[in-house]
Amino acid sequence: AAGVIQSPRHLIKEKRETATLKCYPIPRHDTVYWYQQGPGQDPQFLISFYEKMQSDKGSIPDRFSAQQFSDYHSELNMSSLELGDSALYFCASSRRRPLYNNEQFFGPGTRLTVL
Amino acid sequence: AQSVTQLDSQVPVFEEAPVELRCNYSSSVSVYLFWYVQYPNQGLQLLLKYLSGSTLVKGINGFEAEFNKSQTSFHLRKPSVHISDTAEYFCAVSDQGYKLSFGAGTTVTVRA
Repeated sequence: AAGVIQSPRHLIKEKRETATLKCYPIPRHDTVYWYQQGPGQDPQFLISFYEKMQSDKGSIPDRFSAQQFSDYHSELNMSSLELGDSALYFCASSRRRPLYNNEQFFGPGTRLTVL
Repeated sequence: AQSVTQLDSQVPVFEEAPVELRCNYSSSVSVYLFWYVQYPNQGLQLLLKYLSGSTLVKGINGFEAEFNKSQTSFHLRKPSVHISDTAEYFCAVSDQGYKLSFGAGTTVTVRA
């Protein structure tokens, strides 16, 4: 079965650089979520999109932005990177229509290292 | 707002012994509860979920959990663990079934 795809899997950037993380949800899934997991920490919700519109917002810094495109893939754009942005970034997808089963499927994550 | 407390940060256990991971939640509304497992350097995999109905939920890999509304708990159990169960386990809650709030995680180390 198809799973959530994230690219790249690993990314190394310098401070103050920008990064773009991509997420391709499971086919026919209409909702995408982004989570950030710092070293030794639990995943923290950043932002979500349903049908290409932002549906919820969590602890996402103003330096970050995200969007969901017409093909339902999503991109997380991160600017002015800081050392503290080093983390594992997960994308998850789910389907709200026609029958939502409350299950989010997680991708393998993108490990971002800021030097 | 909802939150999750995992009462044990680390649980060492011998192979073939039972294990219980404790999770308590707080929420002002009805919640949906989940347990996820994360193997080293991998993503999150759903073990089981409680949405409604029977309070005893069975999941993958022999895990089960019991929802207790009066004690606001959702403890995870397995009667006999294997070396391959060594992983990080996260309890999570959502109020409308959308964004997840995770607990701090419990590291399970299974020893031979």
